[in-house]
Amino acid sequence: EPEVTQTPSHQVTQMGQEVILRCVPISNHLYFYWYRQILGQKVEFLVSFYNNEISEKSEIFDDQFSVERPDGSNFTLKIRSTKLEDSAMYFCASSEIQQNGYTFGSGTRLTVV
Amino acid sequence: GESVGLHLPTLSVQEGDNSIINCAYSNSASDYFIWYKQESGKGPQFIIDIRSNMDKRQGQRVTVLLNKTVKHLSLQIAATQPGDSAVYFCAENTGNQFYFGTGTSLTVIP
Repeated sequence: EPEVTQTPSHQVTQMGQEVILRCVPISNHLYFYWYRQILGQKVEFLVSFYNNEISEKSEIFDDQFSVERPDGSNFTLKIRSTKLEDSAMYFCASSEIQQNGYTFGSGTRLTVV
Repeated sequence: GESVGLHLPTLSVQEGDNSIINCAYSNSASDYFIWYKQESGKGPQFIIDIRSNMDKRQGQRVTVLLNKTVKHLSLQIAATQPGDSAVYFCAENTGNQFYFGTGTSLTVIP
């Protein structure tokens, strides 16, 4: 069964450092998403991406965040200057069509120290 | 150590019994709903979906019921198995994003 692959599975970074979280969506999917889940809390929407541009973003997705699809397979989330409160599980997801059930990756656990 | 964050509703059922997990959603304009299962250390896994023009949908061992009048969604799992132990989230779709509920932790007792 096709999978969304995320790397690394765990990233520890110092406050103020930049991190890039990587995702390989399912190959025939056109819509890509990042969500995050702070420990013990809800899964929260960050951003959706289609046709090489952001289609929607939440209030969480401020200027410190950016997304990129640098080639035909990868989809990345960059946090420019990490804060302690950025510590969370970050999930990438993709879907073939809009408003369809996503396939989520296993997540990257980001720990900011 | 001290735990932080939300305390999830919990449900414990005996193996073989049926489970019912409930969810209240907030936006009456939401027209698409999904139940996800999340096992420890993994991403949410799609279980079943339903669109707002339906009030019931069945899958393999699972049934989702939608009551738009009271904005309520339920997930029924038949003959619950130990592998069903997980956190279950409902998610409502509005526009181009899903809004997730806080989740219910299901524990299946062998």
